Amino acid sequence: GAGVSQTPSNKVTEKGKYVELRCDPISGHTALYWYRQSLGQGPEFLIYFQGTGAADDSGLPNDRFFAVRPEGSVSTLKIQRTERGDSAVYLCASSLGTSGHGYTFGSGTRLTVV
Amino acid sequence: SQQGEEDPQALSIQEGENATMNCSYKTSINNLQWYRQNSGRGLVHLILIRSNEREKHSGRLRVTLDTSKKSSSLLITASRAADTASYFCATVNQTGANNLFFGTGTRLTVIP
Repeated sequence: GAGVSQTPSNKVTEKGKYVELRCDPISGHTALYWYRQSLGQGPEFLIYFQGTGAADDSGLPNDRFFAVRPEGSVSTLKIQRTERGDSAVYLCASSLGTSGHGYTFGSGTRLTVV
Repeated sequence: SQQGEEDPQALSIQEGENATMNCSYKTSINNLQWYRQNSGRGLVHLILIRSNEREKHSGRLRVTLDTSKKSSSLLITASRAADTASYFCATVNQTGANNLFFGTGTRLTVIP
C-alpha cells in the first residue's frame, strides 16, 4: 500500500486478556519496527525485523510480548495477560532496511487496558 | 530505552518567528533524524543527517550536527500555526543495527 497501515486504530481490553496488533508495511520495505509510546514520552523501541527474522528484540519489556513476521511483510505484535501498564500507543514503522533512509510510521494502535 | 533528550521540552512562539530545538544523544551514531508528530499518533520523517555531515537544509528546516558534542539542532524558520506539533530527534547507532532510538521530544506551539 501507499503507507503503513495499523489495525485496529483503537483497542480496549480487560486486564488479563490477550491482544494482537497488526501492521501492514509499505510494499518492498524489508525492515519493520515496533515502538510503544506513552503519553508525553518519545517512542520506545520494542523490536525490529529484517525480513522474516527479528534482528533485535531487546526492547520487548518481558515475555508477555511477542511479535512475528512470518512472510516478511505483515507483522503482528502479541501481548499476553495484558496489564494496565501496557496501555499506550503502539507504533509500527517500515523502511528500506539500510541506513540512510527515514522510516515511514503508521498511525498507531491506541491500546487501553481496563 | 531512549537515546537522547530534547531541549526545551516545550516552546511557544509567535507566527513568523524562528523556532530552535536542540537534541543531545549518548552514543556514537550512524545518522540522526528528526520527526514531527501531531496529536500523539503517527510520526512524519522530516530530515536525516549523516554522521559525516554538519548541516542540512530542507525547505524551512535547517539541521546541524556536532558529533564532538553529541548534539543536534533543528531550526524552523518563519514558523506557521500549522507547525504546531511535537518534534523528536532519533538516532541510528553505529552498532550495526538499524533501529532508531528517540529522544523525549519538544512540544512546539506557534501562536497565530
